[in-house]
Amino acid sequence: GAVVSQHPSRVICKSGTSVKIECRSLDFQATTMFWYRQFPKQSLMLMATSNEGSKATYEQGVEKDKFLINHASLTLSTLTVTSAHPEDSSFYICSARGGRDEKLFFGSGTQLSVL
Amino acid sequence: DQQVKQNSPSLSVQEGRISILNCDYTNSMFDYFLWYKKYPAEGPTFLISISSIKDKNEDGRFTVFLNKSAKHLSLHIVPSQPGDSAVYFCAASVNTGKLIFGQGTTLQVKP
Repeated sequence: GAVVSQHPSRVICKSGTSVKIECRSLDFQATTMFWYRQFPKQSLMLMATSNEGSKATYEQGVEKDKFLINHASLTLSTLTVTSAHPEDSSFYICSARGGRDEKLFFGSGTQLSVL
Repeated sequence: DQQVKQNSPSLSVQEGRISILNCDYTNSMFDYFLWYKKYPAEGPTFLISISSIKDKNEDGRFTVFLNKSAKHLSLHIVPSQPGDSAVYFCAASVNTGKLIFGQGTTLQVKP
C-alpha cells in the first residue's frame, strides 16, 4: 500500500533555531499535502494545505512566516519551523493525498521539543 | 468553533464485548467521514470511512453508522480486542479535501 514517510520522528532544539520536517510520499505522487499539529490530549489541527508548485494555504491563526511550507515536487513537502520557541513544542503530522483513489495517507509524525 | 465533536474522552470495554465510539458534527456540507486509530507518538492509521450517501459501512470487526438527520456517526467494534486499545479520531471533510478532526476518544479494552 501507499506509504508516507516523515522525518525526523523526534527533534529537540534550542529556542531561536529553525527546524525542518520532511514529508515524502514513497510510492505515489501526492497532488496535495496537509500539515497538522497536535497538542497533548487535543485533536489534530490542520495548519496548512500545500499543492505542488504553488503557495501553501494556511488556516486561520497559523503564521505563514513562522511555519514555512515548501512543496517543490509531487513526492516531497517540507515544513520549517523558524525561530522556534517552547510554545511550538508539539506533535506535527503530515498527510498526502494521491494514488489511484486519491486517498489520504498519514506520516508517522514528528515530536518537536523546543528548550 | 468545533465542527466535529467527540464528547467522550475515554471509554473502557471488556474484551469480547462491543465498543461504540460516537461523533457529532455541525457542518451539513460534510460529505465524507473517516475514523482513524492512533497510538502515542505515531501518525493516525486509517480504519474505515463512509460517504454521506450511505448510512452504514462494514469492514470486518468495524462498522460505521451515519445518521445524517442527527449529524451523528458512530464506530462499532465487535468483538473488542486488547489490541484495539488506542485513541480513535473521527474526521470529516468536504469533497475529500482537508480533514476536520474530533478531539479523540481513548479506548481501553481490558482482557
